[in-house]
Amino acid sequence: EPEVTQTPSHQVTQMGQEVILRCVPISNHLYFYWYRQILGQKVEFLVSFYNNEISEKSEIFDDQFSVERPDGSNFTLKIRSTKLEDSAMYFCASSVSVGANYGYTFGSGTRLTVV
Amino acid sequence: RKEVEQDPGPFNVPEGATVAFNCTYSNSASQSFFWYRQDCRKEPKLLMSVYSSGNEDGRFTAQLNRASQYISLLIRDSKLSDSATYLCVVNKGRGSQGNLIFGKGTKLSVKP
Repeated sequence: EPEVTQTPSHQVTQMGQEVILRCVPISNHLYFYWYRQILGQKVEFLVSFYNNEISEKSEIFDDQFSVERPDGSNFTLKIRSTKLEDSAMYFCASSVSVGANYGYTFGSGTRLTVV
Repeated sequence: RKEVEQDPGPFNVPEGATVAFNCTYSNSASQSFFWYRQDCRKEPKLLMSVYSSGNEDGRFTAQLNRASQYISLLIRDSKLSDSATYLCVVNKGRGSQGNLIFGKGTKLSVKP
């Protein structure tokens, strides 16, 4: 079964440092997403990306966050200056299209710990 | 009212039991509805989409009542492997299909 692949699985970073989380979506998928889940809380939408541009972003996705699809396979999330409250599990997801008829497939996540 | 509300549980049931989860959502503009399951510290995995006519996949049956903004999931003949947190998920609304709103989840523990 096709998978969304995320690296690294765990990243520890100092407050104020930049981090880049990497994702390889499923190859025939056209829509890409980042979500996060703070420990013990619900999964939250950050951003959706289609046709090489952001299609929607949440209030969480402020100027400290950016996304990029640098080549035909990778999809990255950058956090410029990490804060303690950025500590969370970050999930990348992809879908071939949007709507109930299309499953949104999540990667196994990157656990980001900001110290 | 929370965007997606679920009973947090936990539901502790014996193997073979039938268990039902409920969920309500606040945005009448939501158009896509899903049940995901999440194992501890793992990613959400799609269990099934939910359609207005109701749908079934093996031991799992999902129902949607748009008028009441209510979604349900019924699991028959529970297995040990069904132990997980079940997440009710809806999209934010028209034009926001990829913006999924997750409930906090209902924890299910199936015991031998």
